[in-house]
Amino acid sequence: KAGVTQTPRYLIKTRGQQVTLSCSPISGHRSVSWYQQTPGQGLQFLFEYFSETQRNKGNFPGRFSGRQFSNSRSEMNVSTLELGDSALYLCASRDGLARETQYFGPGTRLLVL
Amino acid sequence: KQEVTQIPAALSVPEGENLVLNCSFTDSAIYNLQWFRQDPGKGLTSLLLIQSSQREQTSGRLNASLDKSSGRSTLYIAASQPGDSATYLCAVTIYNFNKFYFGSGTKLNVKP
Repeated sequence: KAGVTQTPRYLIKTRGQQVTLSCSPISGHRSVSWYQQTPGQGLQFLFEYFSETQRNKGNFPGRFSGRQFSNSRSEMNVSTLELGDSALYLCASRDGLARETQYFGPGTRLLVL
Repeated sequence: KQEVTQIPAALSVPEGENLVLNCSFTDSAIYNLQWFRQDPGKGLTSLLLIQSSQREQTSGRLNASLDKSSGRSTLYIAASQPGDSATYLCAVTIYNFNKFYFGSGTKLNVKP
């Protein structure tokens, strides 16, 4: 099976702009989670989507949003970008049961200038 | 709130040495614990997943243990190799909420 794919891999934006990141899970997986990774804060959970519904949400402002399509592909949107949003954004997929492992994509590196 | 701590933050060892990485968590009501490896600028690769009812899992030179009551897990790497150099992260899943909490990682450097 193909692994988790994320597009784009690298992105440069300026403050105030918005950005959309995409994640395609492993075939058959219904859950997609998003994480932000920075040197200072480490890996932080953003949200999880399961069968097109947001199942869990981390402690991030409303500027961070997401959605999931019927084919389980997911997008994450960040509006009004701030310098502190510069990070590696990772998505992970799994079938949907808590006992299962997560499979991570390579990430999208976002730089906000 | 669940907090996950990893000690040490960085570790440098000569090739061939056996080593132990530590992970501790504050709330023992976990569903499972997972160890990951991350190479610089890359995503995470799952190494071992331990369910809350299990005490340990093994894969090749890796052995992970879990002591839920004390809130601790260890990752044992036998006969370390330069290719093991990476950052190792542990993550716990808590009951009922399907949320994942990651430690800050241990950066391992295995010197040839």
